[in-house]
Amino acid sequence: GAGVSQSPSNKVTEKGKDVELRCDPISGHTALYWYRQSLGQGLEFLIYFQGNSAPDKSGLPSDRFSAERTGGSVSTLTIQRTQQEDSAVYLCASGAGFTDTQYFGPGTRLTVL
Amino acid sequence: AQKVTQAQTEISVVEKEDVTLDCVYETRDTTYYLFWYKQPPSGELVFLIRRNSFDEQNEISGRYSWNFQKSTSSFNFTITASQVVDSAVYFCALSLRGNAGKSTFGDGTTLTVKP
Repeated sequence: GAGVSQSPSNKVTEKGKDVELRCDPISGHTALYWYRQSLGQGLEFLIYFQGNSAPDKSGLPSDRFSAERTGGSVSTLTIQRTQQEDSAVYLCASGAGFTDTQYFGPGTRLTVL
Repeated sequence: AQKVTQAQTEISVVEKEDVTLDCVYETRDTTYYLFWYKQPPSGELVFLIRRNSFDEQNEISGRYSWNFQKSTSSFNFTITASQVVDSAVYFCALSLRGNAGKSTFGDGTTLTVKP
């Protein structure tokens, strides 16, 4: 079956522009997570969706970051007024439930010039 | 707060050698999950194993084995008879009860297996 997919795979943008990153989770998975991986670093938790519950936004680094999940499926991570320090690989993961194993997508590599 | 430490930043071995990747964690919770993931050069994280805090039984899966010791807060990962395809970054992660997905990751260990 299809795994987690993310688009675009690469995104280059200019400082100050807004970007949207998309995640399509595995069908039927109710849990969806966003992480950020800076060069040579581990993963940093950003935000988590579980079913229809309010998302856990505790990992978002600033109010320039937001995420939505429409219809309990596709999620979009939006970064407004991008800064150079936002450059990283943004990883999405989904799981069958909030206690279940996460399955990761291939990531979106964001470069802010 | 939770913390995961992977003290080995980089390891290089020759094919067929055994190699152990260390993971030490910190948490005040008594119920938690521990994970190992592999991130090959292609970039996609691959789940390897999940262990809950009540199960200290060691596990073996082919050439992979894991040693979980609560007494030392360690969850080490051993690859036996390493192969070039094992070259990757390996991450250890910790999640608390109720949210196995909101994980705290270590900084990863880059394993290079040379032919």
